[in-house]
Amino acid sequence: KAGVTQTPRYLIKTRGQQVTLSCSPISGHRSVSWYQQTPGQGLQFLFEYFSETQRNKGNFPGRFSGRQFSNSRSEMNVSTLELGDSALYLCASRTDRGINEKLFFGSGTQLSVL
Amino acid sequence: QKEVEQDPGPLSVPEGAIVSLNCTYSNSAFQYFMWYRQYSRKGPELLMYTYSSGNKEDGRFTAQVDKSSKYISLFIRDSQPSDSATYLCAIPTRGEEKLTFGTGTRLTIIP
Repeated sequence: KAGVTQTPRYLIKTRGQQVTLSCSPISGHRSVSWYQQTPGQGLQFLFEYFSETQRNKGNFPGRFSGRQFSNSRSEMNVSTLELGDSALYLCASRTDRGINEKLFFGSGTQLSVL
Repeated sequence: QKEVEQDPGPLSVPEGAIVSLNCTYSNSAFQYFMWYRQYSRKGPELLMYTYSSGNKEDGRFTAQVDKSSKYISLFIRDSQPSDSATYLCAIPTRGEEKLTFGTGTRLTIIP
């Protein structure tokens, strides 16, 4: 079974631009979560999608948004990029038996904002 | 105060040593506790998870929970260079359906 696939692996953008990151979950997994990882703050929860609906959202500004498609693939978008948005963005999927269920992470998209 | 605190290290130990990694948490309602391992340029992968207090062993790894102190530990016996990675404690939050992570401890095992 293929793992969680994230594209692209690396992105370089400038302040003020917007960016879209893509995530393909493991086949059969209906829940997709996004996390931001930085050296100072560690991994922080952005949002979770299930059956094309956002179920939960972390404490991030509205510039961060996402969506999920009918095939469970997900995208996240960051508008009006700021320097502080530079981070590794990780996508994770699970089948949705519960939060204690194992999360499978992709290798992430490394975003650099200049 | 952060919900989950973890010493960021870095931590370097010689091969074969016993490694102790620790986290503290603030919410006494937490019941499940996880340890993830993250290799460089990879996403985290679940290593172990425990419920309630006590020890859980899996090969060279032991996860320990002390709910009275709100303290969780991961011990690695006979450490190997392949154990070099960042170790993250994580606690699931029911209702919010998210994991709250510690900042991670970067571990290097020196051959």
